[in-house]
Amino acid sequence: ELKVEQNPLFLSMQEGKNYTIYCNYSTTSDRLYWYRQDPGKSLESLFVLLSNGAVKQEGRLMASLDTKARLSTLHITAAVHDLSATYFCAVDETYTGTASKLTFGTGTRLQVTL
Amino acid sequence: GAGVSQSPSNKVTEKGKDVELRCDPISGHTALYWYRQSLGQGLEFLIYFQGNSAPDKSGLPSDRFSAERTGGSVSTLTIQRTQQEDSAVYLCASSHSPGDSGNTIYFGEGSWLTVV
Repeated sequence: ELKVEQNPLFLSMQEGKNYTIYCNYSTTSDRLYWYRQDPGKSLESLFVLLSNGAVKQEGRLMASLDTKARLSTLHITAAVHDLSATYFCAVDETYTGTASKLTFGTGTRLQVTL
Repeated sequence: GAGVSQSPSNKVTEKGKDVELRCDPISGHTALYWYRQSLGQGLEFLIYFQGNSAPDKSGLPSDRFSAERTGGSVSTLTIQRTQQEDSAVYLCASSHSPGDSGNTIYFGEGSWLTVV
């Protein structure tokens, strides 16, 4: 059974600071997603990472994937209050031959304070 | 429409009643997914439809849950004899055919179900 673990579960950070959220998963896959969720809202797609060494950046967020370590990171640079949300990583089992479905991590609730 | 559309957005039902939740995927998307999000369980996969293939029902929690997708487009998730533990947000998502590189899976706003 695929397990996806995120840490930290909760992150309070000051504006302007940098931090990294970690996503570990337990089985072979080379397709990983990052989503953002605001309170009471649905999931907004941030990144799709498709291969070992993939790196994608959008604004103050940068995501990377190391399939050998089964690890993805979401790096936040110079945080601003608008980034406050819950961030989820999700792993797609398609690579293993099973039907395409996402297994989500527990989520990291990010709170950016002034 | 431009995005995945779900209805109702909110539903309060009495324990034991049946409910139907509807999902209208993004036009042209062949894959459709149902997930459930609850405080205790996080985000859970329920069922997945891809084109005309048999759906992957491996995530459905009990035989009270069923889903169908008519004409390869709209999907309905049905929960029979609802229980309080069914209270959750039911999220529908759609994408192009899995396996195509760069696929993004788009989620709807969800149907918030409360069983009282």
